[in-house]
Amino acid sequence: AQSVTQLGSHVSVSEGALVLLRCNYSSSVPPYLFWYVQYPNQGLQLLLKYTSAATLVKGINGFEAEFKKSETSFHLTKPSAHMSDAAEYFCAVSPYDSSYKLIFGSGTRLLVRP
Amino acid sequence: DADVTQTPRNRITKTGKRIMLECSQTKGHDRMYWYRQDPGLGLRLIYYSFDVKDINKGEISDGYSVSRQAQAKFSLSLESAIPNQTALYFCATSDTTQGVTDTQYFGPGTRLTVL
Repeated sequence: AQSVTQLGSHVSVSEGALVLLRCNYSSSVPPYLFWYVQYPNQGLQLLLKYTSAATLVKGINGFEAEFKKSETSFHLTKPSAHMSDAAEYFCAVSPYDSSYKLIFGSGTRLLVRP
Repeated sequence: DADVTQTPRNRITKTGKRIMLECSQTKGHDRMYWYRQDPGLGLRLIYYSFDVKDINKGEISDGYSVSRQAQAKFSLSLESAIPNQTALYFCATSDTTQGVTDTQYFGPGTRLTVL
């Protein structure tokens, strides 16, 4: 069965520092991969998604993620953290043959220090 | 107005009570989903529906039922609520026109507490 592992339930960075949120997937074939963000008291919204068109995917709010098949990873990065980036981030995988299904990781809460 | 709305936003109930959570969407999407979110577990799929006549169980459907009253409405029921159903519940929709990479659009969530 496909699964997603997010390393680190909490990540704390200073404002202006690099953001790196880790996501590894398990799949026998490259799946579709997503990053969603959940701001306090809100639903999830899509940051970006990998659909096999390009390994480096750019999303909203300056975030990007790189698909690395050899490492089965899809880590999320942002060069410079902003206070407004404080939120919970979820990596999700969608099997290529069941695109309607999303399997979520456990989430990483990003804290941004002034 | 929000594209995906959920009512109520917060609900406190007692063990054994029947509860219905409602979801409405104005996006015109055929596919709708119900998830629950628990701390440290991410989101888990309860039920999903491809259209009014097509409803499917997700990974944690026990203790829940759903009704797709119309393309725009998808309700989740807890027939006899129990404390371990205390969670944050999300409704989502997706558009099949994107092919195999459906983006899901989430409502704001319903926080349910079962005492």
